Amino acid sequence: GENVGLHLPTLSVQEGDNSIINCAYSNSASDYFIWYKQESGKGPQFIIDIRSNMDKRQGQRVTVLLNKTVKHLSLQIAATQPGDSAVYFCAAPLGGADGLTFGKGTHLIIQP
Amino acid sequence: GAVVSQHPSRVICKSGTSVKIECRSLDFQATTMFWYRQFPKQSLMLMATSNEGSKATYEQGVEKDKFLINHASLTLSTLTVTSAHPEDSSFYICSASAGILRAIYFGEGSWLTVV
Repeated sequence: GENVGLHLPTLSVQEGDNSIINCAYSNSASDYFIWYKQESGKGPQFIIDIRSNMDKRQGQRVTVLLNKTVKHLSLQIAATQPGDSAVYFCAAPLGGADGLTFGKGTHLIIQP
Repeated sequence: GAVVSQHPSRVICKSGTSVKIECRSLDFQATTMFWYRQFPKQSLMLMATSNEGSKATYEQGVEKDKFLINHASLTLSTLTVTSAHPEDSSFYICSASAGILRAIYFGEGSWLTVV
């Protein structure tokens, strides 16, 4: 089955610096990945997604990179702001269904 | 954009009672909804897939008789926790999919505390 996991449970960065959050997956057949941001006590908020036919996708201040060779994806946040403090999850569909399996999450902490 | 709403956001119930949580898609019709459970400082775990007009599909280890799911319309799914126990206390989150959206949008979650 799908296994999506994150490398680091906590990431601390200085305000204004760039943040990079990593995620590894085990199912080479996975064709769709999503990054979510979850603030304390709230539901996950969609950030950006990427399909396996792409290796990079950019949004507003965020970039997702996908390396299918090593089954790794990353979320890059440019010029990190205090409002970026949250737990970030990568997720991928479970097998052929639309339900998602989530990674363990990385808690991004912004240092002033 | 698409919005998914959950109600109640917080609920406290006594052990042995049942509690119902609603999930509504506000901007679109959702043929499929998903229910997740999240314990503090842990990730989301898919509990079940709610299909409009048919029975829900439960993930392994999730008791279907304890977590009753009803998806009677294209905009509403309900999760009923029956005979609740303190260990059922958790954050329950739903998401909704119209197929093409690939279950991108989540509700705000419902905190359940069983005392």
